Amino acid sequence: AQKVTQAQTEISVVEKEDVTLDCVYETRDTTYYLFWYKQPPSGELVFLIRRNSFDEQNEISGRYSWNFQKSTSSFNFTITASQVVDSAVYFCALSEVTTDSWGKLQFGAGTQVVVTP
Amino acid sequence: DTEVTQTPKHLVMGMTNKKSLKCEQHMGHRAMYWYKQKAKKPPELMFVYSYEKLSINESVPSRFSPECPNSSLLNLHLHALQPEDSALYLCASSQDLTARVNYGYTFGSGTRLTVV
Repeated sequence: AQKVTQAQTEISVVEKEDVTLDCVYETRDTTYYLFWYKQPPSGELVFLIRRNSFDEQNEISGRYSWNFQKSTSSFNFTITASQVVDSAVYFCALSEVTTDSWGKLQFGAGTQVVVTP
Repeated sequence: DTEVTQTPKHLVMGMTNKKSLKCEQHMGHRAMYWYKQKAKKPPELMFVYSYEKLSINESVPSRFSPECPNSSLLNLHLHALQPEDSALYLCASSQDLTARVNYGYTFGSGTRLTVV
C-alpha cells in the first residue's frame, strides 16, 4: 500500500511565484520521521528537511517552509519566490520506527517542479 | 568528509557481463543502503546493511548481489542482468539503526546503468 502520496505530478510556475507541494502520509506508528528531498536532473538526492512525529513546529529555511499537521497526516512544502534553480523533482518520504522495515525510506511518487523565467 | 561517493557514474554492460558498483563513505555511518530508481519513478529500496550485516533484502533477484566488506564500503555485484534492470542505482548511508533514532540519510549521486 502506498504510504506516501504526492498527488501533484507536475507543477509549472513562472519565476517569483510561490509553489506549494502537497504530501500526505499513512502510518500506524506513533514514532516516525518525514523527509523532503530535491532531485535535480543530475540525479543526486539533496536533503532538505527531516521532521520527527513529535515535533509539529512549522519550519522556515530561507525561501523554503514546511507545514506539518499530524491531524491531517500532511507535511506540505512551500517554495516562496521561486527561481529557475528550483526546477527539480521533489520527493516526500517516510521512515517508520517500530516496524520490521526500520531504516527503510519510503518515497512518494515525486512532484516535478518547472520554473520558467 | 560529508559525502557518499559512487563509482562509476555511468556503466554500460551486456547481459552476459559481470560488473560491480562501488559506494564509499567516511562519515562513520554504520548503515548503508542500495536503492534503484527507474526513470520518472521514486527510488525503491533494494538492500540495507547495518554494522556490515544484511538487515533488509527487498526480494531482489539474485542477479544483484550486495557486499559490505567494511563499514565504509558497499558494493553491488551485477551478473546476467536484463535490459529492464537499466536504472539509476543510488547508494545512501545513515548514522546508526540500533538507536531507533533517524538522523537522516546521505545519498550518493548514483550510477546510471544501461544493460544492452
